[in-house]
Amino acid sequence: GAVVSQHPSWVICKSGTSVKIECRSLDFQATTMFWYRQFPKQSLMLMATSNEGSKATYEQGVEKDKFLINHASLTLSTLTVTSAHPEDSSFYICSALLSGRGYNEQFFGPGTRLTVL
Amino acid sequence: RKEVEQDPGPFNVPEGATVAFNCTYSNSASQSFFWYRQDCRKEPKLLMSVYSSGNEDGRFTAQLNRASQYISLLIRDSKLSDSATYLCVVNNQAGTALIFGKGTTLSVSS
Repeated sequence: GAVVSQHPSWVICKSGTSVKIECRSLDFQATTMFWYRQFPKQSLMLMATSNEGSKATYEQGVEKDKFLINHASLTLSTLTVTSAHPEDSSFYICSALLSGRGYNEQFFGPGTRLTVL
Repeated sequence: RKEVEQDPGPFNVPEGATVAFNCTYSNSASQSFFWYRQDCRKEPKLLMSVYSSGNEDGRFTAQLNRASQYISLLIRDSKLSDSATYLCVVNNQAGTALIFGKGTTLSVSS
């Protein structure tokens, strides 16, 4: 199947700093990528839909100025958590949409575990 | 009502048991349905899509009832390696993104 990578796989940072997470589709081009967040024992929650060459679409309750998304190429989307605080500590997972004729499937990256001290 | 609701877990079963998970969804306009598997601290992986006619993949059988907005997953002859969290997933109203249930944890013991 298609491969999606994320970098870094884990990060620990101080409160107030910004953290950038990269999501790459390694063997296919993805016009659309998605960013999810998962807190312990909770479901994955969609944060935003990232569209190549245009602005991301954020879900209700997600601050676009805090979670900056850039989808500059067909294989790379980045999520920057600005001025991170301990409550932003979570498992961030991206997915890339592989579309074909009558076919759509999301492939997930391995996730990035963020801990804000 | 939550968009996707699943059986509360965990399910603890012995090897060889048959176990069934249920899921309901609130958006009658949803068109795509899936079961994903998520291992601890890992990303979710697609287990199988769910079709109206029902579909089977080895020991796994998925069923969809659109009228009741209900999805099920049956696992026969459980293996130790089936231990994981199973996520019921439907697409959103726009059909552009996935909505995940909270997941049901399965623990298979020898």
